[in-house]
Amino acid sequence: EIVLTQSPATLSLSPGERATLSCGASQSVNNYLAWYQHKPGQAPRLLIYDASNRATGIPARFSGSGSGTDFTLTISSLEPEDFAVYYCQQRGNWPRTFGQGTKLEIK
Amino acid sequence: EVQLLESGGGLVQPGGSLRLSCAASGFTFSTFAMYWVRQAPGKGLEWVSAISGRDGGTYYADSVKGRFTISRDNSKNTLYLQMNGLRAEDTAIYYCAKGNPQFYFEYWGQGTLVTVSS
Repeated sequence: EIVLTQSPATLSLSPGERATLSCGASQSVNNYLAWYQHKPGQAPRLLIYDASNRATGIPARFSGSGSGTDFTLTISSLEPEDFAVYYCQQRGNWPRTFGQGTKLEIK
Repeated sequence: EVQLLESGGGLVQPGGSLRLSCAASGFTFSTFAMYWVRQAPGKGLEWVSAISGRDGGTYYADSVKGRFTISRDNSKNTLYLQMNGLRAEDTAIYYCAKGNPQFYFEYWGQGTLVTVSS
């Protein structure tokens, strides 16, 4: 099973700041990695797939990069609605796995 | 508009069974892989099971293999998850999700709560 490790566990920032979230894989997943945003009481939302492709309707301030074992989600300028928990997920191998999440909170 | 509506959750005793359903609309159901993902209280997301679009191939997390069965009825645009031998650690919100062409979880339902407790 591929283990995904996200850092930091919690990130405290202010609106307008830049957010950088990391995801490391225990073995290569090529570029088969996605990022999701999850707010309490809501369904998760796909943000990025195949490491760097924005999903339909996702604002340009969200970008993804990386390949192999190291990946990054960047939010260029935080909006109030961006504060949530973010998960990475790999589809390089079965079973599909998620990282443990990064909570992005308002400073 | 893609819509996914889960049902069938509830309170069940350890060792009991439940069948979850997910009614899908707004897309050609038979064409896409479908998934179940769960979130235990205070925990992160955990992939549970997957079923492919046309050939019906199935996949399971080790934690549910042999106890849960995923299936789909393409004529009814409905996804199912039969859960047997339920354990306290299966307590979670269960989400169904539609796969995109790259096999990621593109659209999600609002979830249904399963509580396993005596």
